[in-house]
Amino acid sequence: DAGVTQSPTHLIKTRGQQVTLRCSPISGHKSVSWYQQVLGQGPQFIFQYYEKEERGRGNFPDRFSARQFPNYSSELNVNALLLGDSALYLCASSFSRDRGTYEQYFGPGTRLTVT
Amino acid sequence: KQEVTQIPAALSVPEGENLVLNCSFTDSAIYNLQWFRQDPGKGLTSLLLIQSSQREQTSGRLNASLDKSSGRSTLYIAASQPGDSATYLCAVGGGNQFYFGTGTSLTVIP
Repeated sequence: DAGVTQSPTHLIKTRGQQVTLRCSPISGHKSVSWYQQVLGQGPQFIFQYYEKEERGRGNFPDRFSARQFPNYSSELNVNALLLGDSALYLCASSFSRDRGTYEQYFGPGTRLTVT
Repeated sequence: KQEVTQIPAALSVPEGENLVLNCSFTDSAIYNLQWFRQDPGKGLTSLLLIQSSQREQTSGRLNASLDKSSGRSTLYIAASQPGDSATYLCAVGGGNQFYFGTGTSLTVIP
């Protein structure tokens, strides 16, 4: 079975631009979460989506938005990019939102560089 | 808010040595705890998941323990190999998200 896939692998944008990152979960997984990982730090939670609805949001500004499609794939959008948005963006999928049992599987990430 | 700390931040050991990585968390009301491995510039690879009702999990040379009452987890790696060199992250499951530590960077010297 294919794992979690993310596209693109790398991306270079200019301050003020907008970016869209894409994620396809493992087949059968209905929950997708997005994390931001700045160099040298652990991942920070941005969003969780389950069955196309937002189920959780981390402490990120409204410039960050996401959505989940009927096939459970997801997009993360970031508007008005800042230099500080440069990071590795990770997508994780899990089978359910049952908090007691779900295991998260991560994709390879999208490296975003803002110049 | 859940705070997760990993000690040490970096560790260098000779090949063949057994080692322990530590993870502590401030809120014991967790659902589970997951250990990950991350190679430079790459995504996270799941190593072990411990449910809140469990005390430990084992996979090959890896053993993870969980003590919720003291807010601690350890990852034990037996007979370390150069291929084990990576950053190890622990993540505590609570609410709708996992809370991550900053990781332990492990180097195994041949």
